[in-house]
Amino acid sequence: AQSVTQLDSQVPVFEEAPVELRCNYSSSVSVYLFWYVQYPNQGLQLLLKYLSGSTLVESINGFEAEFNKSQTSFHLRKPSVHISDTAEYFCAVTKNDYKLSFGAGTTVTVRA
Amino acid sequence: NAGVTQTPKFQVLKTGQSMTLQCAQDMNHEYMSWYRQDPGMGLRLIHYSVGAGITDQGEVPNGYNVSRSTTEDFPLRLLSAAPSQTSVYFCASSRGTGRRTYEQYFGPGTRLTVT
Repeated sequence: AQSVTQLDSQVPVFEEAPVELRCNYSSSVSVYLFWYVQYPNQGLQLLLKYLSGSTLVESINGFEAEFNKSQTSFHLRKPSVHISDTAEYFCAVTKNDYKLSFGAGTTVTVRA
Repeated sequence: NAGVTQTPKFQVLKTGQSMTLQCAQDMNHEYMSWYRQDPGMGLRLIHYSVGAGITDQGEVPNGYNVSRSTTEDFPLRLLSAAPSQTSVYFCASSRGTGRRTYEQYFGPGTRLTVT
C-alpha cells in the first residue's frame, strides 16, 4: 500500500514570492504521482502529473514538480505566486488509476 | 460534456436516516470512485468500480454501499447515517482501459451533515 506525507499543513506566502510544497511517499512498487488543487468550495482539479520520462513536470500556470526516486519525493514549486493561487493542494499517488492515495493537504494563503 | 455531476450539493440528515448520493459521468469512463474529504485527512477512498457490475471496497467502506448497473452512474448509499459520516463526498471517474492518462476527474462534491 502507498502512503503520502505532506509535510506542511499551512503555508502563508506573500504575493510574488516563491513557494514550495513538500510531498513524500512510500511505496514498494512504481507509482504515478499527481498534484491536485482545490479552490474554495470547489472540487479537485489536476495541476500536474508524473507518469514517466522527464522527472521535471510543469503546469500551464507556472507550477512545477520534480520526481526524485531516491528521496521518494514529489515537491511542488512556483517561483512567483499570485493571490489567485490561494487554495488547498493535495499530493496523490497511485499504481493504477482508480485508487488514489492522498496526502492530508497543504493550504496556501497568498497575501498582498 | 458535463463531466462528473453530483447531486445533491448539500444535505442534512438525522442519525439513522438513509439516503443516496448520486454521481454520473458522460465521458464513457470505465472507472469510478467515491472519496470522502475530512479536515486534516485529505481524501480517503470509500468504494470504487472498474466497470458496470463490478465494485470493490476502498479504505473506509463501512456504512456505505454502492452499485454500478450502468457505465454512467455510480450511486453511494448511506444505510443508517451516523455523525461520523459528516463529510464532503467526491465522486471521480477515469478512462480505464485504452489510452491511459491515469487522471481522475472529480465532481463538485456533496456536503453532508448528520445531526
